[in-house]
Amino acid sequence: AQSVAQPEDQVNVAEGNPLTVKCTYSVSGNPYLFWYVQYPNRGLQFLLKYITGDNLVKGSYGFEAEFNKSQTSFHLKKPSALVSDSALYFCAVRGVYNFNKFYFGSGTKLNVKP
Amino acid sequence: NAGVTQTPKFQVLKTGQSMTLQCAQDMNHNSMYWYRQDPGMGLRLIYYSASEGTTDKGEVPNGYNVSRLNKREFSLRLESAAPSQTSVYFCASSEARVEWHRSNQPQHFGDGTRLSIL
Repeated sequence: AQSVAQPEDQVNVAEGNPLTVKCTYSVSGNPYLFWYVQYPNRGLQFLLKYITGDNLVKGSYGFEAEFNKSQTSFHLKKPSALVSDSALYFCAVRGVYNFNKFYFGSGTKLNVKP
Repeated sequence: NAGVTQTPKFQVLKTGQSMTLQCAQDMNHNSMYWYRQDPGMGLRLIYYSASEGTTDKGEVPNGYNVSRLNKREFSLRLESAAPSQTSVYFCASSEARVEWHRSNQPQHFGDGTRLSIL
């Protein structure tokens, strides 16, 4: 079965501190992994993806994600959080047997406090 | 540069009424999707269309029908609305190729339709 898990419903950080939003995946073979952000009353916006190559992927708005094959993880990170980063974050994996399908985590709400 | 456009943005229905949610994309994508988002449950796939002329069921298809009208448009129909279908509905599109290694593009989402069924 293909799936992703986001173990934290909510993450709280202070502005200026580093942030991490966790994601683990379960898929056979080489995964295509994605992070999206959702602001209130908006659709999901693509942040970054891992396809192959470097384990550290850089994306929009200063976000990056670290792919770890041995731990089957793809954690989202940012060195210095902004209040404006407060939003809902989703991890997703593209299907291997049916690559027309995407499998989403349940989402993590990030709260950045001033 | 519209991307994925959904109409309407908001709708209130009475139980038993029917309604069609519209979605159009201008990125020439092959694949289109309908999801529903409920608090604490993330995104759940209702139906998807891998290409013009094809549609397939997702996780939660009961109570819904879809039509891939052409490459741009993918509509979702509720034939007899029920309160359990109160949700936010998102349409998405993505490029997908026959070859797996070329199918590495993300999905693009509309801003959703907020549907309440009384």
